[in-house]
Amino acid sequence: DTGVSQNPRHKITKRGQNVTFRCDPISEHNRLYWYRQTLGQGPEFLTYFQNEAQLEKSRLLSDRFSAERPKGSFSTLEIQRTEQGDSAMYLCASPSRGASSTDTQYFGPGTRLTVL
Amino acid sequence: AQSVTQPDIHITVSEGASLELRCNYSYGATPYLFWYVQSPGQGLQLLLKYFSGDTLVQGIKGFEAEFKRSQSSFNLRKPSVHWSDAAEYFCAVEYPGRRALTFGSGTRLQVQP
Repeated sequence: DTGVSQNPRHKITKRGQNVTFRCDPISEHNRLYWYRQTLGQGPEFLTYFQNEAQLEKSRLLSDRFSAERPKGSFSTLEIQRTEQGDSAMYLCASPSRGASSTDTQYFGPGTRLTVL
Repeated sequence: AQSVTQPDIHITVSEGASLELRCNYSYGATPYLFWYVQSPGQGLQLLLKYFSGDTLVQGIKGFEAEFKRSQSSFNLRKPSVHWSDAAEYFCAVEYPGRRALTFGSGTRLQVQP
């Protein structure tokens, strides 16, 4: 157990619906990352936060995706108007320490999204 | 472009045999290097990491990895594989100036009895 929790663990939705995932990182941590992993591939970076500020977004994060981290604690990732291509495992990661140049990212169990 | 290559998609070894999983990265400066393992339906577990210093690093579960700057490689090794090591292994790199990890496409390890 890395101390990073994600909910829900599984989500099945119909194309066109909106979905929201939640990540609770290791406590007292200022960075939080989101990745997406499709079948047979390694995780791909989506976005990351330092406290409540979203500092970097990947080109994979289309305008249908939005992530927030209110108050610099938990984070949510919302996908609007889901498409079948959004089916993937969505992973959240939190480093082991606060602000360090040698942080190690620890991953949550992920939320598996299936879009029918 | 920054990329991580794991040339072996699938490897099968016999239990008790030695293992080496390959990883190469692109870039000039030395990045931070990681190996993660993922069992079916599970999240990613960190095996080991390299930031600087001794180029041979030890990790959990008897794994080790060696950083070779001249080859831009960070290969994972284990002297004697156990059936429980069957999983998917990912090499990941944090390039200088970035916080995000770049992952390879993974190597699936199968262990034969």
